[in-house]
Amino acid sequence: GAGVSQSPRYKVAKRGQDVALRCDPISGHVSLFWYQQALGQGPEFLTYFQNEAQLDKSGLPSDRFFAERPEGSVSTLKIQRTQQEDSAVYLCASSGQLRTGRGKLFFGSGTQLSVL
Amino acid sequence: GESVGLHLPTLSVQEGDNSIINCAYSNSASDYFIWYKQESGKGPQFIIDIRSNMDKRQGQRVTVLLNKTVKHLSLQIAATQPGDSAVYFCAENINGNKLVFGAGTILRVKS
Repeated sequence: GAGVSQSPRYKVAKRGQDVALRCDPISGHVSLFWYQQALGQGPEFLTYFQNEAQLDKSGLPSDRFFAERPEGSVSTLKIQRTQQEDSAVYLCASSGQLRTGRGKLFFGSGTQLSVL
Repeated sequence: GESVGLHLPTLSVQEGDNSIINCAYSNSASDYFIWYKQESGKGPQFIIDIRSNMDKRQGQRVTVLLNKTVKHLSLQIAATQPGDSAVYFCAENINGNKLVFGAGTILRVKS
């Protein structure tokens, strides 16, 4: 596709439910990032993939958060046993460069997660 | 209007005037900086970037200035238009694998 695509656009979950958020990066982009954006704040880094390898997951807030990119293209962010503090917009970004220092990130429109 | 929890600084400018948005970054070792624009309901959109070996970089209607001495970044928008209304974030590159975003500034353009 022409840009980064994320689905679903909106997700409402009851506390304790598991959710899966999907990201389709720009075709051919080797780097993929997940960010979490709370209302009124800047995006916060969650995790980074280079192709299928998850090279940095230092931003994942707890072991309830899990991300994968098994074939080096589509990525899924899974949140288990959702809690109200997980409510946020989850942004996916991709880059054609191996490191962010050599290229800009292209962001999707995000998935807005609301945990009730 | 603003929602509860939204406490971003706001800059209001008249259409046609120049805008200057400021940002203080945290890490003196950061070597790459980017300005992003985020409209409501959308992801951040790249505006302009600058590396730490530069002081100034110009794009179309935008200029980024970097002052490493005081760890300060600014974005100048010339002849501000209504379509420039958005939240603007600066971001710094740390260790090459991730960007750290600032809190953001709301730009409101009055017609």
